Amino acid sequence: QKEVEQNSGPLSVPEGAIASLNCTYSDRGSQSFFWYRQYSGKSPELIMSIYSNGDKEDGRFTAQLNKASQYVSLLIRDSQPSDSATYLCAVTGGKLIFGQGTELSVKP
Amino acid sequence: GAVVSQHPSWVICKSGTSVKIECRSLDFQATTMFWYRQFPKQSLMLMATSNEGSKATYEQGVEKDKFLINHASLTLSTLTVTSAHPEDSSFYICSANAGGGETQYFGPGTRLLVL
Repeated sequence: QKEVEQNSGPLSVPEGAIASLNCTYSDRGSQSFFWYRQYSGKSPELIMSIYSNGDKEDGRFTAQLNKASQYVSLLIRDSQPSDSATYLCAVTGGKLIFGQGTELSVKP
Repeated sequence: GAVVSQHPSWVICKSGTSVKIECRSLDFQATTMFWYRQFPKQSLMLMATSNEGSKATYEQGVEKDKFLINHASLTLSTLTVTSAHPEDSSFYICSANAGGGETQYFGPGTRLLVL
């Protein structure tokens, strides 16, 4: 079992819709959770960090964490074509462990 | 804040040569920096953890004699790919923790092509 799992996609949503990205992790001891965005050919850029169960909102982005289910998600409201990228879920367990990423495509 | 730079952004070299990549934290001090490698269509793979003033910690399967890491100051870590071969061609990315937290901020990456 992979330590951090994401659907590779591609996930395609129309402009203005909500994009939902999901991630599960295997280490129950993980304490910190991150979402990074990576445009093609570029390095990852931090979008959100979340440490406690529940929701955390930042602009159009909402991260959700459920430690009991070992599940973390990212919602992007009012998706824009500029949101088209690969989204990486990362979990700390002594070191930062990345999922394989979900490719998001927002169609105009 | 929390800006990390890398140099060079692109490098093309001949097989058998060595290449040095620099990673700098511009507005903070980083006792720990990380080096990742990313092949096309794959996620980031941690190669090593670079500790200021001490030896780097390498991940399983990463040859420490091939990928030399030096972290001589609180703002600079270097990765040297020795005797590079075409299979070393990849996207090398460094990151650093700012303020001792767990959040990692990434440099822009260095794309290496070995001919």
